[in-house]
Amino acid sequence: GNSVTQMEGPVTLSEEAFLTINCTYTATGYPSLFWYVQYPGEGLQLLLKATKADDKGSNKGFEATYRKETTSFHLEKGSVQVSDSAVYFCALSDGNNFNKFYFGSGTKLNVKP
Amino acid sequence: GAVVSQHPSWVICKSGTSVKIECRSLDFQATTMFWYRQFPKQSLMLMATSNEGSKATYEQGVEKDKFLINHASLTLSTLTVTSAHPEDSSFYICSARWGGRQTQYFGPGTRLLVL
Repeated sequence: GNSVTQMEGPVTLSEEAFLTINCTYTATGYPSLFWYVQYPGEGLQLLLKATKADDKGSNKGFEATYRKETTSFHLEKGSVQVSDSAVYFCALSDGNNFNKFYFGSGTKLNVKP
Repeated sequence: GAVVSQHPSWVICKSGTSVKIECRSLDFQATTMFWYRQFPKQSLMLMATSNEGSKATYEQGVEKDKFLINHASLTLSTLTVTSAHPEDSSFYICSARWGGRQTQYFGPGTRLLVL
């Protein structure tokens, strides 16, 4: 079946530190992979996506590469800011069933000044 | 582009009443809308998928008679929580997509508190 596993949080970093949030997946088809960000009290915002193996999604300094060989889609940022504090969700969309998203459990990021 | 709104953002109601939540796609025609439920500090749980003009498809364990979903137009879907009880208190989030695109665009969520 389809599933997404994220590293547990919370992750606490100092401003300008390097960020990695691990995400691995299992899928029966050819999924697209997504990172969404949720700020307190709000819905989810699309951060970046990748639709096929070796694609790199990037936005606002965040990057993630679709690695089919390791079934991973780790989120990275070279220098985090306090404003990046939020919950980050990794998700996959089943290529055989466009309807469903499978979400990871979410990773809370706290960035301290 | 790809903005989804929800109304209301907050609702408090008495046990036994029904509550309607609206989800609108503001700048695109949403062929498919999704309703999720999120418990505190947890991930999103898909409740149902609705395609414009047809009946919603509910996930296993979600009571379709309790959570009524209507997707009457390409820009509006509604979720009605009927005879709400305190255990229905939660954060409800809708999302929408169009055509064959896989990306879902999410609304800001509606927080429901049933007293």
